[in-house]
Amino acid sequence: GDSVTQMEGPVTLSEEAFLTINCTYTATGYPSLFWYVQYPGEGLQLLLKATKADDKGSNKGFEATYRKETTSFHLEKGSVQVSDSAVYFCALPPNAGGTSYGKLTFGQGTILTVHP
Amino acid sequence: KAGVTQTPRYLIKTRGQQVTLSCSPISGHRSVSWYQQTPGQGLQFLFEYFSETQRNKGNFPGRFSGRQFSNSRSEMNVSTLELGDSALYLCASSREGAGTYGYTFGSGTRLTVV
Repeated sequence: GDSVTQMEGPVTLSEEAFLTINCTYTATGYPSLFWYVQYPGEGLQLLLKATKADDKGSNKGFEATYRKETTSFHLEKGSVQVSDSAVYFCALPPNAGGTSYGKLTFGQGTILTVHP
Repeated sequence: KAGVTQTPRYLIKTRGQQVTLSCSPISGHRSVSWYQQTPGQGLQFLFEYFSETQRNKGNFPGRFSGRQFSNSRSEMNVSTLELGDSALYLCASSREGAGTYGYTFGSGTRLTVV
């Protein structure tokens, strides 16, 4: 079945440092891929997405490129801020044409803490 | 446009009681999914509703149930609450509940069972 593996956390960085959070997936075909972010005390917000191979999703300075050859969708940001401190989830949507309606497959989440 | 609205935001219940949580999806979205989030288990899928029909269900006991109304609003119910039911309950709305369409989450209901 579908699965998502994220790098182990937590990740602690100083402000303006470079961020990479690794995400690899196992799925049938070439699904869309999502990154969600959860700020303390909040629900999940869609950060960015890519709908096909070689697509680059970007938002708020974050980027991720859909690499089908390595089945990866790593999240990067060139210069993190304290306000980026949150939990980040890589996710697969339900397989189009399948029966896993409404069920996103999430990675385990990576806690990011950014210090001033 | 309005986002996904979950009510209430916080609940404290006693073991053995039951609870009902509500989710109003984005206008035009007919699919509503529910998730339980705990520190130990992460995000676990509960069930999905589309046009008032449950199409998918996760691996939870029968104490967890849900329904969807004709306006796409959804409720989930947990009966005979246990301490382990303490969690953040999230709902997500989507246009179709499959494929590439985005999933928008609400802010969640924090349930504490004492």
